[in-house]
Amino acid sequence: DTGVSQDPRHKITKRGQNVTFRCDPISEHNRLYWYRQTLGQGPEFLTYFQNEAQLEKSRLLSDRFSAERPKGSFSTLEIQRTEQGDSAMYLCASSLAAGAPEGEAFFGQGTRLTVV
Amino acid sequence: AQSVTQLDSQVPVFEEAPVELRCNYSSSVSVYLFWYVQYPNQGLQLLLKYLSGSTLVKGINGFEAEFNKSQTSFHLRKPSVHISDTAEYFCAVSDGFQKLVFGTGTRLLVSP
Repeated sequence: DTGVSQDPRHKITKRGQNVTFRCDPISEHNRLYWYRQTLGQGPEFLTYFQNEAQLEKSRLLSDRFSAERPKGSFSTLEIQRTEQGDSAMYLCASSLAAGAPEGEAFFGQGTRLTVV
Repeated sequence: AQSVTQLDSQVPVFEEAPVELRCNYSSSVSVYLFWYVQYPNQGLQLLLKYLSGSTLVKGINGFEAEFNKSQTSFHLRKPSVHISDTAEYFCAVSDGFQKLVFGTGTRLLVSP
């Protein structure tokens, strides 16, 4: 299966610790997105990349959050000094932007973060 | 700004009955509309999408949706549901270039 892969699937961390998540998109996809989903809510956009360029960041992405996509392949999302409010499912998606409009974004299975 | 409203947080239905999940959107630009399904502890899977053309869109697993511009709606329907359709369903809107804006979701509960 060559879908979007996220690692780890689950992460439990103590408040104040740093965590890093990884996303491997579908290989030919040049766009990569990060979303956050809290319990009972729909996913909320955090940021997206086209190739290695980070083109948009949501106001939800505080200074403690940083995302990278070196070489336009996999991406990492780091949260520094985690807080209990960071507990959520972090979803990664990728799509192929071959022009406008784009079609389907394929989602990974997500990383569930629990901050205790 | 774009937004999506899913009025029903939960829809209970018996197996083999029809179902409609409601979605209304607001947008100041041309929209592209999507329905995704999420099973427990899983990511999202695309059911169907409206980009242009026919307002009746057919998707996977027997689902369909109708785009109604005058009512700013994109309701999801299935004529006969199965137990396996039990899941969370999300409506989403995009301007076609960047991010998806999701609704809060509707939990479909199918019982025998």
